[in-house]
Amino acid sequence: DAMVIQNPRYQVTQFGKPVTLSCSQTLNHNVMYWYQQKSSQAPKLLFHYYDKDFNNEADTPDNFQSRRPNTSFCFLDIRSPGLGDAAMYLCATSREMGQGAREQYFGPGTRLTVT
Amino acid sequence: DQQVKQNSPSLSVQEGRISILNCDYTNSMFDYFLWYKKYPAEGPTFLISISSIKDKNEDGRFTVFLNKSAKHLSLHIVPSQPGDSAVYFCAASGAAGNKLTFGGGTRVLVKP
Repeated sequence: DAMVIQNPRYQVTQFGKPVTLSCSQTLNHNVMYWYQQKSSQAPKLLFHYYDKDFNNEADTPDNFQSRRPNTSFCFLDIRSPGLGDAAMYLCATSREMGQGAREQYFGPGTRLTVT
Repeated sequence: DQQVKQNSPSLSVQEGRISILNCDYTNSMFDYFLWYKKYPAEGPTFLISISSIKDKNEDGRFTVFLNKSAKHLSLHIVPSQPGDSAVYFCAASGAAGNKLTFGGGTRVLVKP
């Protein structure tokens, strides 16, 4: 089945220790997104890639970076995690941008704990 | 500044009855609306969507209604089943791109 895969499902890191979350997709979609979701809140978009073009949301902290080495993979790097970065991180994809391709398909998420 | 709001944080309904979830938005540039379902420890699953050129879209037990003048949409689930117990998010996007703005979610409990 075509899908969005996130590894690991649970990640524990220490305060200030860099951490990388990974996402892969077998849908061959052009667009990949990273969201942060804190408990009982709506998912918040951090950034997205349209093919190789990176688009950062204006309020995404500099501490968060992303890489997309190829169509299938996308990484979220948190350079110096703080306690406030503990959250569920969701990866999503969509086939294209714009009309007729608005649906986004989500992975299961990675729950990040910062100690 | 919450552009998409789900004012009911929770909803309890008997199995077999109708579940009605509501969502309001403020941004008139939104022209596409989606509903997602989320189980604990899983990512949101796409359920159904509607374009602003329509006022109704139906898919099996799920129907979404859009009232543009009121900036309001609703999701009807008929009949409700215990497996429908989850958190439901409405989301909206504008013509400028695919960015989704999510509501805060409504937790649905379907009682057997």
